[in-house]
Amino acid sequence: AQSVTQPDIHITVSEGASLELRCNYSYGATPYLFWYVQSPGQGLQLLLKYFSGDTLVQGIKGFEAEFKRSQSSFNLRKPSVHWSDAAEYFCAVGPLNNNAGNMLTFGGGTRLMVKP
Amino acid sequence: KAGVTQTPRYLIKTRGQQVTLSCSPISGHRSVSWYQQTPGQGLQFLFEYFSETQRNKGNFPGRFSGRQFSNSRSEMNVSTLELGDSALYLCASSLVGDGPYEQYFGPGTRLTVT
Repeated sequence: AQSVTQPDIHITVSEGASLELRCNYSYGATPYLFWYVQSPGQGLQLLLKYFSGDTLVQGIKGFEAEFKRSQSSFNLRKPSVHWSDAAEYFCAVGPLNNNAGNMLTFGGGTRLMVKP
Repeated sequence: KAGVTQTPRYLIKTRGQQVTLSCSPISGHRSVSWYQQTPGQGLQFLFEYFSETQRNKGNFPGRFSGRQFSNSRSEMNVSTLELGDSALYLCASSLVGDGPYEQYFGPGTRLTVT
């Protein structure tokens, strides 16, 4: 069965510091990988996605993620964190071809706090 | 394009009652999925509808059901509410095909069962 692990439940960084959020997955086929962000009381906003090609993908709000097949990882990074980045971040995997179904499996989330 | 909309945004119900939540997908999106989010269990897949048919179902009891209409709008129903059903219910829509297609989420319906 597919699974997604986000090892860090909480992370606190200072504003202006760099950030890396970890994500490891287990999936039977070639996965389609996502990072979503959720602000308090809100739905999920897609930050970026990976399905093939260049293993370093760029997303919105200055985020990027790197797919490493050998490590089954898809870590999210940002070179300089802003106070407005404080939120919960979710890594997810889904089917590359959703003709037969369209289910996302989510990690447990990482709550990011930003110190001034 | 308008995003995914969900109504109502907040709901308070009593144990034993039933509730219906509504989701309108992005125009042109024919797949609608529902997820339950709780502090203890995180984000869990409930079910997915495509072309008015349930294609996938998560590991939830039969009290949770849904349907999709010809205009792709979807509703989910929870009967005989339990305290543990208190959660944020998220709806997501996407295109369907040889893919890949991402899911876009609505703001959610916050259900509180007392």
